[in-house]
Amino acid sequence: DAGITQSPRHKVTETGTPVTLRCHQTENHRYMYWYRQDPGHGLRLIHYSYGVKDTDKGEVSDGYSVSRSKTEDFLLTLESATSSQTSVYFCAISDLTANYGYTFGSGTRLTVV
Amino acid sequence: KQEVTQIPAALSVPEGENLVLNCSFTDSAIYNLQWFRQDPGKGLTSLLLIQSSQREQTSGRLNASLDKSSGRSTLYIAASQPGDSATYLCAVLYNQGGKLIFGQGTELSVKP
Repeated sequence: DAGITQSPRHKVTETGTPVTLRCHQTENHRYMYWYRQDPGHGLRLIHYSYGVKDTDKGEVSDGYSVSRSKTEDFLLTLESATSSQTSVYFCAISDLTANYGYTFGSGTRLTVV
Repeated sequence: KQEVTQIPAALSVPEGENLVLNCSFTDSAIYNLQWFRQDPGKGLTSLLLIQSSQREQTSGRLNASLDKSSGRSTLYIAASQPGDSATYLCAVLYNQGGKLIFGQGTELSVKP
């Protein structure tokens, strides 16, 4: 979507390696979110941020950490990747200026081998 | 527990038909409700956003309605086209800046 980009789009990594996914927005939205999407589980919230340096855990946060040092960037780190973290990862943004409607990025397809 | 359910899970219709996708939610104290479209291997595209004070929203051939008291929303697609084939997701927001709660989606196939 215009205004929100995720990188990389695809990544293959080995078990046990650290991985960082990046979400960048140009909308100056306050809230940013990381979700993962898996068959049979739908979309599940990993972590979210309600401002610079303000983050909190979602429902599936184990094995993940996040950082937000600037309004526009929200990083998701897998400290030591496992095969269960093979998934499609989506970043989303929302704000009062958009009536708290969500806008999603195009996703990162991560494969852990 | 706040849950969102979408029925049916899959739907196949001939081109040109009008159709309705259903979404229900267990807690009626919503802030807003959003309908998304997802094509295979792609991200989520927002179709319509309905605030809790609104009854419906329209965009082109799409019309979404909201009935908070009964915990239901419908997405009406007029004159369906093969290009409408995708998965449609309903999601509910209960708090400003909070977590979206998603239904499992309806996979729509429109046959030429």
